[in-house]
Amino acid sequence: DVKVTQSSRYLVKRTGEKVFLECVQDMDHENMFWYRQDPGLGLRLIYFSYDVKMKEKGDIPEGYSVSREKKERFSLILESASTNQTSMYLCASSGGGTAGAGPLTLYNEQFFGPGTRLTVL
Amino acid sequence: AQSVTQLDSQVPVFEEAPVELRCNYSSSVSVYLFWYVQYPNQGLQLLLKYLSGSTLVKGINGFEAEFNKSQTSFHLRKPSVHISDTAEYFCAVVSLNDYKLSFGAGTTVTVRA
Repeated sequence: DVKVTQSSRYLVKRTGEKVFLECVQDMDHENMFWYRQDPGLGLRLIYFSYDVKMKEKGDIPEGYSVSREKKERFSLILESASTNQTSMYLCASSGGGTAGAGPLTLYNEQFFGPGTRLTVL
Repeated sequence: AQSVTQLDSQVPVFEEAPVELRCNYSSSVSVYLFWYVQYPNQGLQLLLKYLSGSTLVKGINGFEAEFNKSQTSFHLRKPSVHISDTAEYFCAVVSLNDYKLSFGAGTTVTVRA
């Protein structure tokens, strides 16, 4: 079974704090993604990565950064949390071709983690 | 980037009745199309996808969807729903010029006995 795990189900932080959200997948997938999910807006892509140390901006990257030092782990960082970053954060991964195949494999099925509900006070 | 419109935000339906969830997209290039489902307190999982070939696609749990290129639609249907189909359903589109997956806002289906 494909497994995508996220470090916390619920997280409460204060404005201005640095926040790390961790995601780990055990399927040797090349591609990993961070989304935020808000009512009425669906899922919006923050960042994605199709290889170790590679990262690409999604549709709403402002206020976020990411790190992918190992293939199985993709971290989302909020440098200085703000109340408008209160949301559900979903991590996903998908398989592809060989490493370095790039965006051509991004249409493969994505497997999602259970999400982290972040509240910024 | 393409946009994805799910025309109904909430769909209440009685058990054993049929359901159709509507999805339209805007893209000037070829696309791949997906429906994902999110059960309460869980992550999303893939229901079905259209990449090419037959425009009628069958997925898991008795769902099917039909791709209509001229109407840029990809509506999801199930002929008879169960209580366990209560969930949020997301339509998603990848256009072949940027390969990014764009999601609709979601449709919440509530099945009542």
